[in-house]
Amino acid sequence: DAGVTQSPTHLIKTRGQQVTLRCSPKSGHDTVSWYQQALGQGPQFIFQYYEEEERQRGNFPDRFSGHQFPNYSSELNVNALLLGDSALYLCASEAARSAVANTGELFFGEGSRLTVL
Amino acid sequence: RKEVEQDPGPFNVPEGATVAFNCTYSNSASQSFFWYRQDCRKEPKLLMSVYSSGNEDGRFTAQLNRASQYISLLIRDSKLSDSATYLCVVNDFGNEKLTFGTGTRLTIIP
Repeated sequence: DAGVTQSPTHLIKTRGQQVTLRCSPKSGHDTVSWYQQALGQGPQFIFQYYEEEERQRGNFPDRFSGHQFPNYSSELNVNALLLGDSALYLCASEAARSAVANTGELFFGEGSRLTVL
Repeated sequence: RKEVEQDPGPFNVPEGATVAFNCTYSNSASQSFFWYRQDCRKEPKLLMSVYSSGNEDGRFTAQLNRASQYISLLIRDSKLSDSATYLCVVNDFGNEKLTFGTGTRLTIIP
């Protein structure tokens, strides 16, 4: 049973470029959330996708956008990259019926480490 | 004020010792509380939930004080494998997101 998989694992971009990160949720999970973890900080919620729609969004600018596909996989897009976007981007999945508020258990992928030069 | 605050440490503790971490949260309406563990350069993983009555899982004990809005984690008889960053996590009612603290870094010394 594959867990959450993310690609690419590492990438380097320059300021102003655009990046797309990909995530496949754990088998049986239909809800995907994206988190940004800067060095020395805890993960910060970017947004969550369920039924191919953005269900909730954190305090991130419109440069951050996403998509969920019918097979529940998801993409995170970041436009006009800034140096401050350098971080580990974590994808997390859950089954909607389990409700994170009840179980607290998000299954995270190993992340995509983005460096912006 | 940050929503969830933790002492970032580092805590350097000899093997076999007992260590405790505290965490405070700002939203009195928060309803669910958790501790996650994150090993170096790895993803966070759920360690345990925190219940109002306090709960124990082996060497780990978690407690919640709603009146003072703080959460604690106690690790007894610490092992080298306990070395990690421990993230305090809060979920607010009706909210899909988890709010993480900055994490407390623990190193167990042989």
